[in-house]
Amino acid sequence: EPEVTQTPSHQVTQMGQEVILRCVPISNHLYFYWYRQILGQKVEFLVSFYNNEISEKSEIFDDQFSVERPDGSNFTLKIRSTKLEDSAMYFCASTQLTTEIGAFFGQGTRLTVV
Amino acid sequence: GESVGLHLPTLSVQEGDNSIINCAYSNSASDYFIWYKQESGKGPQFIIDIRSNMDKRQGQRVTVLLNKTVKHLSLQIAATQPGDSAVYFCAERETGRRALTFGSGTRLQVQP
Repeated sequence: EPEVTQTPSHQVTQMGQEVILRCVPISNHLYFYWYRQILGQKVEFLVSFYNNEISEKSEIFDDQFSVERPDGSNFTLKIRSTKLEDSAMYFCASTQLTTEIGAFFGQGTRLTVV
Repeated sequence: GESVGLHLPTLSVQEGDNSIINCAYSNSASDYFIWYKQESGKGPQFIIDIRSNMDKRQGQRVTVLLNKTVKHLSLQIAATQPGDSAVYFCAERETGRRALTFGSGTRLQVQP
């Protein structure tokens, strides 16, 4: 069964450093998303991406965040200058059709900022 | 802002019993709802969805009920199994948006 894959599974970084979280969405999917989940809290929407541009973003997704689809398979989330409060599980998700919203999620990257 | 929330943080059931997990939402502009299952250390796994023009949808051992009048969503799991133990989230989408808004989650514990 096709799945969304994310790397690394765990990333530890120093406060102020830049991190790039990587995702390979399901191959024939068109919409890509990043969500995050702070430990013990709800899953929160960050951004959606379609046709090589951001289609929607939340207030969490400020200027320190950016997304990119550098090639035909990868989808990345960059956090420019990490803060302690950026520590969370980051989930990538994708959907096949523009009308489908039941996104398929990856296993997540646990980001720990120290 | 508007939010999706859950009534019960933890639900404990006996194996073989039916489980009902509830969710209240407050955004009347929501037109699509999903239930996700999240096991420890894994990402949310799609279980079943329902659109606002329906009030019931059935899957394999699962049924989702939607009551738009009282803005209530429930997930029924028939013959609950130990493998059903997980945290269950409801999520909703507002018309015209792509983002899903997740609820707080209910932990389902299945006792053998």
